[in-house]
Amino acid sequence: AQSVTQPDIHITVSEGASLELRCNYSYGATPYLFWYVQSPGQGLQLLLKYFSGDTLVQGIKGFEAEFKRSQSSFNLRKPSVHWSDAAEYFCARSGAGSYQLTFGKGTKLSVIP
Amino acid sequence: DGGITQSPKYLFRKEGQNVTLSCEQNLNHDAMYWYRQDPGQGLRLIYYSQIVNDFQKGDIAEGYSVSREKKESFPLTVTSAQKNPTAFYLCASGLTSGSTQLNYGYTFGSGTRLTVV
Repeated sequence: AQSVTQPDIHITVSEGASLELRCNYSYGATPYLFWYVQSPGQGLQLLLKYFSGDTLVQGIKGFEAEFKRSQSSFNLRKPSVHWSDAAEYFCARSGAGSYQLTFGKGTKLSVIP
Repeated sequence: DGGITQSPKYLFRKEGQNVTLSCEQNLNHDAMYWYRQDPGQGLRLIYYSQIVNDFQKGDIAEGYSVSREKKESFPLTVTSAQKNPTAFYLCASGLTSGSTQLNYGYTFGSGTRLTVV
């Protein structure tokens, strides 16, 4: 079965510091990969997605993610974190031809001044 | 603008009472999903539907029921059989066909927080 692992439950970074959130997916041909963000008490908003082509994907709010097939990873990065980035982040995948998503358990990001 | 609407935002349930959470979308999406969210447990799938008048149980369907009489609507009923219903409930929708990248991924509602009183 497809699975998504987010190894870090909670990460704290200082405002202005760089950020990397980890995501690993179970093996599967041509995974479609997504990152979503959830602010407290809100729904999930799509940050970016990867289907094929360039392995570095740009998203909204200054986020990017890099697909590495050899490591089965799709880590989310941001060069300089803002206090408003404090939220929970979910990685998700679907397989080719499947529209149903499998989600990781999420990583909560705290930002300190 | 197209979107997905959940109501109410907050809901209080008494012991032994059934309550229904509303989810409506105008995105013309075929599939709709209900998730339950508890702190530290991520998103757990309750029910999903890929077509009108058909739905499937997810991982934690016990104590819940759904209907899909219209493409736009997928209400969730939390029954008295659900012993621990206090949680944040999220509805999502997505497509089930088409080959472009735009067809993949979900759109989420803003959630309903259910509390037992």
